[in-house]
Amino acid sequence: GDSVTQMEGPVTLSEEAFLTINCTYTATGYPSLFWYVQYPGEGLQLLLKATKADDKGSNKGFEATYRKETTSFHLEKGSVQVSDSAVYFCALRTEYGNKLVFGAGTILRVKS
Amino acid sequence: NAGVMQNPRHLVRRRGQEARLRCSPMKGHSHVYWYRQLPEEGLKFMVYLQKENIIDESGMPKERFSAEFPKEGPSILRIQQVVRGDSAAYFCASSPQYSSTGELFFGEGSRLTVL
Repeated sequence: GDSVTQMEGPVTLSEEAFLTINCTYTATGYPSLFWYVQYPGEGLQLLLKATKADDKGSNKGFEATYRKETTSFHLEKGSVQVSDSAVYFCALRTEYGNKLVFGAGTILRVKS
Repeated sequence: NAGVMQNPRHLVRRRGQEARLRCSPMKGHSHVYWYRQLPEEGLKFMVYLQKENIIDESGMPKERFSAEFPKEGPSILRIQQVVRGDSAAYFCASSPQYSSTGELFFGEGSRLTVL
């Protein structure tokens, strides 16, 4: 079945460090891919998305490129801030599907 | 331009009681999804509804859980005879009928605690 695998956390970084959170997926066809962010005590907010191979989604300094050859959608940011501390979820929606399938989430902690 | 509204934000129930969680989708959205987030875990799909229809309930437990999205009013997730294992955050999301990207818009969640 369709699934998303994320790197386990927590990931702890110092301010201004480079961030990578790995995400790989298994799906038939051509899924759409998403990164959502959840701040403490809140709901999920869409961070970025990509709908076809080689698309790059970007927002607030975060980027992810849809790599069909490696079935990956890794999240990157060049310089993290304390305010980026949150849980990050990778998700997919299959080509003909009607729901999002989420990874387990990765906790990011940024220290000043 | 209100987003997805969920209530209550926090709910405490004793074992054996009923819990009702409500979700009003974004204006113009006709599709509602319910997800459950257990402590320290990711989001698990429960059910997908359109007005007056359950489209996909493959993630719903077979007993005690039910969902509806009536013609008028919010979608309701109902949990009968709650047990401690039902303690979780329940998130509702909505989407329009036609979406080029398949993005879901989430509410802030309802956090159920079963004593």
